[in-house]
Amino acid sequence: IQLTQSPSFLSASVGDRVTITCRASQDISSYLAWYQQKPGKAPKVLIYSASTLQSAVPSRFSGSGSGTEFTLTISSLQPEDFATYYCQQVNFYPITFGQGTRLEIK
Amino acid sequence: EVQLVESGGGLVQPGGSLRLSCAVSGFSLIDHYMDWVRQAPGKGLEWVGRSRNRVTSHATEYAASLKGRFTISRDDSNNALFLHMNSLKTEDTAVYYCSRAVKYNDLLTGYYNWGWFDPWGQGTLVTVSS
Repeated sequence: IQLTQSPSFLSASVGDRVTITCRASQDISSYLAWYQQKPGKAPKVLIYSASTLQSAVPSRFSGSGSGTEFTLTISSLQPEDFATYYCQQVNFYPITFGQGTRLEIK
Repeated sequence: EVQLVESGGGLVQPGGSLRLSCAVSGFSLIDHYMDWVRQAPGKGLEWVGRSRNRVTSHATEYAASLKGRFTISRDDSNNALFLHMNSLKTEDTAVYYCSRAVKYNDLLTGYYNWGWFDPWGQGTLVTVSS
């Protein structure tokens, strides 16, 4: 299963609302997770099962979608949100990740 | 506290071998599916492979491009996961992470399933170079 994220790079300001899209090459139902990774650190899960917020993750993060199209939305960007975001499908082997979306401060 | 700590990375020559370890604490390895993920410098995340739990006889899955060179094993009694890497190539240079797959009640099927990865270790850097 190929996952294609768009955009690959996003420049935004604190307070902006941003949306990242992940498209799967075939139906993966809702077996999709979103991760945040900061430089030099391991990824951290934000959203699982396409739309369930991981414990302790701020509510400004939300996920939606099913089948082949998914979105991660950050409702109001905070300084600590500038990072790289990856989607991941866990429905089929091999488990695959999107290529990543780098979110930078404008 | 659940913790994963990788070790064993370093500099190795092309064609060489290396064994990475992942020491887990805060949970029993025997009950869990575990995965290895790697990240080449400046690149994205790439799934390496999975070790299933005792119930499934520790069956393994691998990325097709790595099958035959990489092998995952575990020592449940010592809560340790391993990644054995052979015939290393320069393109295997990466930070290698171990991670735990989360077991959850899949409402779509009514069965337990293994999903997203949480937590992850801090990673260990493998550099393949002459």
